Amino acid sequence: NAGVTQTPKFQVLKTGQSMTLQCAQDMNHEYMSWYRQDPGMGLRLIHYSVGAGITDQGEVPNGYNVSRSTTEDFPLRLLSAAPSQTSVYFCASSLTRSGGYTFGSGTRLTVV
Amino acid sequence: RKEVEQDPGPFNVPEGATVAFNCTYSNSASQSFFWYRQDCRKEPKLLMSVYSSGNEDGRFTAQLNRASQYISLLIRDSKLSDSATYLCVVNGGGSSNTGKLIFGQGTTLQVKP
Repeated sequence: NAGVTQTPKFQVLKTGQSMTLQCAQDMNHEYMSWYRQDPGMGLRLIHYSVGAGITDQGEVPNGYNVSRSTTEDFPLRLLSAAPSQTSVYFCASSLTRSGGYTFGSGTRLTVV
Repeated sequence: RKEVEQDPGPFNVPEGATVAFNCTYSNSASQSFFWYRQDCRKEPKLLMSVYSSGNEDGRFTAQLNRASQYISLLIRDSKLSDSATYLCVVNGGGSSNTGKLIFGQGTTLQVKP
């Protein structure tokens, strides 16, 4: 039981490049979310999903796309990287709507 | 006004001390509440859920006051290993509640020998 797995752990991108941050969970959780964490800002919700085929925007969705084709996977796509997207990204999942979430170990992204 | 507010600290306490953190939330329809712990450069980890009746887990006690919309965490007999950032987390709540978590900025605790 691996929990929530995020890849890659570290990434450096050039401005304008695109990439996909991967997130997979093996706990059969319906609820999955992506957060970014910046100094002094706390964790902010980017996108979330309440089940396969269903996604919605969070607090800071601009510049990011998501899809949820399976229960297990919830990739986050950066369309055209900008320095403002330099951050630590966390994926999280939960079995229930009101339950606590389990977090992945994060992806540290630097955009230069 | 932020949806979840915490005093960022830092709280510097000696080993063995008792320390309390508070947090307030703005959405009265919020349905579930949590404390998470985050170590430097690590992911947040669920410390405990918070219930209206109050709940205890070893040295940790959490309380929820729905009328005043605040949540507290009490740590007794602090250990060096308790040094971390403690995040107050609220389930978004409301008629369209979809399980979104709202995080406070976190309170930093440093326990000194």
